[in-house]
Amino acid sequence: EAEVAQSPRYKITEKSQAVAFWCDPISGHATLYWYRQILGQGPELLVQFQDESVVDDSQLPKDRFSAERLKGVDSTLKIQPAELGDSAMYLCASTLSGNTIYFGEGSWLTVV
Amino acid sequence: GIQVEQSPPDLILQEGANSTLRCNFSDSVNNLQWFHQNPWGQLINLFYIPSGTKQNGRLSATTVATERYSLLYISSSQTTDSGVYFCAVDTDYKLSFGAGTTVTVRA
Repeated sequence: EAEVAQSPRYKITEKSQAVAFWCDPISGHATLYWYRQILGQGPELLVQFQDESVVDDSQLPKDRFSAERLKGVDSTLKIQPAELGDSAMYLCASTLSGNTIYFGEGSWLTVV
Repeated sequence: GIQVEQSPPDLILQEGANSTLRCNFSDSVNNLQWFHQNPWGQLINLFYIPSGTKQNGRLSATTVATERYSLLYISSSQTTDSGVYFCAVDTDYKLSFGAGTTVTVRA
């Protein structure tokens, strides 16, 4: 069964350092999402791509976060500089528009 | 934005018991999905259910879109059902999640 692939699974980084997460969506899925989930809460949307274009990044803290999907396939989410409050799980998801959304296993970030 | 409220926030069940989880939403939606988040953090899609009733094994879900709510039923619960259950509503092809219901099934 096709899956959304994410890496790294776990990342510990020091405050003020840069960190990056990678996502490879299910083949053929034009829509890709990055969500952030803080422990004890539901996931919150950071950015949504349709192919290589950003559809919604209204909740992305653009002073330190960036996201790209250059060829409309895989995607990278970067944080620079990382802050203590960025400790969370970062989830990637993909879908054929209007259908079931599938999530990857997530990337756990701890900022120390 | 749209508000998604789930109840109860926590649920403790004895193995074999039945339960109902509820999701209320504040506006019209394109569709609704139920997810189970396992202890390792992965979100597993349970149902894609904009309206009507669906069943999958011991789980079933009903969405009444006109009244803006959905119910998830767990029957004959097992310890493997433990975890967090999220309701998420789709508006403009993006999901907004509720805060989840944490289910603990005791042997």
